[in-house]
Amino acid sequence: AQSVTQLDSQVPVFEEAPVELRCNYSSSVSVYLFWYVQYPNQGLQLLLKYLSGSTLVESINGFEAEFNKSQTSFHLRKPSVHISDTAEYFCAVILFNKFYFGSGTKLNVKP
Amino acid sequence: DTGVSQNPRHKITKRGQNVTFRCDPISEHNRLYWYRQTLGQGPEFLTYFQNEAQLEKSRLLSDRFSAERPKGSFSTLEIQRTEQGDSAMYLCASSPEGLATEAFFGQGTRLTVV
Repeated sequence: AQSVTQLDSQVPVFEEAPVELRCNYSSSVSVYLFWYVQYPNQGLQLLLKYLSGSTLVESINGFEAEFNKSQTSFHLRKPSVHISDTAEYFCAVILFNKFYFGSGTKLNVKP
Repeated sequence: DTGVSQNPRHKITKRGQNVTFRCDPISEHNRLYWYRQTLGQGPEFLTYFQNEAQLEKSRLLSDRFSAERPKGSFSTLEIQRTEQGDSAMYLCASSPEGLATEAFFGQGTRLTVV
């Protein structure tokens, strides 16, 4: 069975501070890992993904995530957040063409 | 084509009524997904099409739910005899064929059953 656990339902942080959103997965087979972001009243948008190769993947807006097979984790990080990063973030795995999502982490960036 | 389009964006219905939602995927995508999202939860898989073939249905999809994709383009999701527990955001996504390809999501249809 596949499952994705996002340990924090909400993460408040001040602008320009670093942030880490945690994601752990369980799977008996190799998985492909994704982070999606959902801004208020918007659909989900892909932030970044890990398929193979380098375990560190980056997005165009400064987020990065590291695939750690031994810890079955794919935590999302940003060294300095902006107000505009306020959104809900979902970690997901894909197996046999189906996405399995975590319950989401709401990132609230305060001025 | 500007992305996945879902209609309506909002639907309020009385318990026991039938509702139908439409999804227009990105035109060259042959995979289409329906997900349901409730408050505080991530999207839950409902069903998946490859072209016009419905390849998999979740056990979340009771007999009151039916989805079609008749010509391999747009898809409809119908809920018969709606219940209050059906209130949720219904998300549609599409993706091109390939290994672990990105799914592109629509903005969803928010269903409220009163």
